[in-house]
Amino acid sequence: DQQVKQNSPSLSVQEGRISILNCDYTNSMFDYFLWYKKYPAEGPTFLISISSIKDKNEDGRFTVFLNKSAKHLSLHIVPSQPGDSAVYFCAASALLNSNSGYALNFGKGTSLLVTP
Amino acid sequence: EAGVAQSPRYKIIEKRQSVAFWCNPISGHATLYWYQQILGQGPKLLIQFQNNGVVDDSQLPKDRFSAERLKGVDSTLKIQPAKLEDSAVYLCASSLVRASYEQYFGPGTRLTVT
Repeated sequence: DQQVKQNSPSLSVQEGRISILNCDYTNSMFDYFLWYKKYPAEGPTFLISISSIKDKNEDGRFTVFLNKSAKHLSLHIVPSQPGDSAVYFCAASALLNSNSGYALNFGKGTSLLVTP
Repeated sequence: EAGVAQSPRYKIIEKRQSVAFWCNPISGHATLYWYQQILGQGPKLLIQFQNNGVVDDSQLPKDRFSAERLKGVDSTLKIQPAKLEDSAVYLCASSLVRASYEQYFGPGTRLTVT
């Protein structure tokens, strides 16, 4: 059962324009959301995160928006650069229990291509 | 700071054979995770260690998969016997503390079962 969904497998954007990657989730217990970026033959690297008590978090060119009522979050990249071409994974986390800490539930990823 | 190390990077085996993967987390990171990423899917957590104790292995197929982290540092994930559907990238990640959302991933081991 996929609790985190990224419905767009791929996205192509011109350099300098805005890239918008979307993510939906079903589990209302999720309280923290993250975006990871993955280049081929490398492991995912953490990009940006947002707590459920916020609706926006910004870090340089990257902004994540959270709409809790719609169970939807999005990652905006402005301006997009060719080096941003990668697979972007949305992940959501909920506290399992006091002993185990947090587990990440990943979406299937969106492959972003930024063309010059 | 050195990242999460994994070996081997690639492995090809026949079904019913055994295979083992090794992970060395970032120095000082108490929490270690093993994920399975099947082609076209996101990573799926298999097992989570806190130091040398297992805190979550609910999604580990225990009839064929096993993992250990004996000294609370390195970890080994084993599959015995392998099935075709085990073909995937096996990712190891670590985090500084248990209650940390931000996990640092290694490059992964790509397993092909023929």
